[in-house]
Amino acid sequence: SQTIHQWPATLVQPVGSPLSLECTVEGTSNPNLYWYRQAAGRGLQLLFYSVGIGQISSEVPQNLSASRPQDRQFILSSKKLLLSDSGFYLCAWSVLLGNTEAFFGQGTRLTVV
Amino acid sequence: GENVEQHPSTLSVQEGDSAVIKCTYSDSASNYFPWYKQELGKGPQLIIDIRSNVGEKKDQRIAVTLNKTAKHFSLHITETQPEDSAVYFCAARAEAQKLVFGQGTRLTINP
Repeated sequence: SQTIHQWPATLVQPVGSPLSLECTVEGTSNPNLYWYRQAAGRGLQLLFYSVGIGQISSEVPQNLSASRPQDRQFILSSKKLLLSDSGFYLCAWSVLLGNTEAFFGQGTRLTVV
Repeated sequence: GENVEQHPSTLSVQEGDSAVIKCTYSDSASNYFPWYKQELGKGPQLIIDIRSNVGEKKDQRIAVTLNKTAKHFSLHITETQPEDSAVYFCAARAEAQKLVFGQGTRLTINP
């Protein structure tokens, strides 16, 4: 069966520090991978999605970047965090082709102080 | 690109009553519409989905309807129970495998 791992679960970082959140998927190949952000009490904002290794599409201009160094690994990064980067970050995957559901990780709650 | 609007943002119903959440989408090419339930501090989980070749789908107390002409779809929960309390998200998928979500509805079931 397929599983998605996301870590860490919580993170407190000072303003100006770097960020690296990692997401890995097991039990499937060539997945679509997604990073979403959920601000407190708000909806899910699509940040990045990837249909293959090295292929990253950015949805909104921001202080974040994403990379996909391996087929089932998706990394969200920042060189210098801002206060506004605080939020709940969710990684998700779906089958590459066809209309199927996206499966979410348990999320990382990031607080920038 | 796709834009999904969801209403209401909060909904409070008495236990046993029905709850309805509505969404509209902008991209007529969208052809997959899932609904997710998110409990506090957790990732969203799929509860039901519908594809564009179907007008209605039901799974026990949960049903979803789709009107492609009007570009809107709705979630119906009947005989609500306290454990139905959560945040619900609709979504739509169109081009390039992007899944775009609505803003969410916080549903509270009052005993």
